[in-house]
Amino acid sequence: QSALTQPASVSGSPGQSITISCTGTSSDVGGHKYVSWYQQHPGKAPKLMIYDVTNRPSGVSNRFSGSKSGNTASLTISGLQAEDEADYYCSSYRDFSTVVFGGGTKLTVL
Amino acid sequence: EVQLLESGGGLVQPGGSLRLSCAASGFTFTTYGMTWVRQAPGKGLEWVSTVIGDGTTYYADSVEGRFTISTDNSKNTLYLQMNSLRAEDTAVYYCAKGRDRIRISSGWDYWGQGTLITVSS
Repeated sequence: QSALTQPASVSGSPGQSITISCTGTSSDVGGHKYVSWYQQHPGKAPKLMIYDVTNRPSGVSNRFSGSKSGNTASLTISGLQAEDEADYYCSSYRDFSTVVFGGGTKLTVL
Repeated sequence: EVQLLESGGGLVQPGGSLRLSCAASGFTFTTYGMTWVRQAPGKGLEWVSTVIGDGTTYYADSVEGRFTISTDNSKNTLYLQMNSLRAEDTAVYYCAKGRDRIRISSGWDYWGQGTLITVSS
C-alpha cells in the first residue's frame, strides 16, 4: 500500500498562508470523499483538523481549510501562527476497504 | 471527556506475540468505529486496523493474518492481538476513535497517547 504523496516540507512567515498538497489516485483521493488531515506536534498524538475533504471538527480554527481537485487534496492554513508549526498528514479511504496516509509534511513557521 | 488509554506495549522478540489494550471512556463505545494507527520511530503514520460498529474488521496488508482487532463492549476496551511480530512492526501504536459507527475513514477525532512496541532480539 503506497502512501499518498505530500511535500516533505513547507514554510511560511507569521500571518501568511500556506497550502499542503496530498496527491493520490482515482482509487483513493480522487474517487472518494473521505480525505482527512491531521496535525502532529513532536511527541504528541495526532489531532484531526479536517475530515471528509472540507469539514472542520468543532474547536479547530477556521484558519484551517480543506479542498480537493481531481486526485489531489489540499490543506490551507491562513494567518500562520507559531503554534501551527508541526507535521501534517493526509489520509484517504482507498478502494477495497483500506486507508492510506501521506508521508507527512513538516511545516516551519519562519 | 473522551479518553483513550493504551497499554500493553514493551519489548518483544521477533516471532513473538503481544496484546495491546485501549480503554475508552467518555462516549458510548458501541456507537463508534475504532482504529489502530502506528508510527515507526522518526517515520510517518500508518493505518493498521479498524473495527466498525457492526463488528466488521479491516486490516492493512502489512499486518493481515498476523494481527487481530477486537472489542470487549462490556469493558469499553479495544484490543490488538499481534502475532509473528517482526522488526518492522516496531512503532508507537495509537488507538483512535472514529467519528461514526460505520465508515472506516471519516476522520479519527480522539487519539490515545500511544504505546511503544519494540521488536528486537
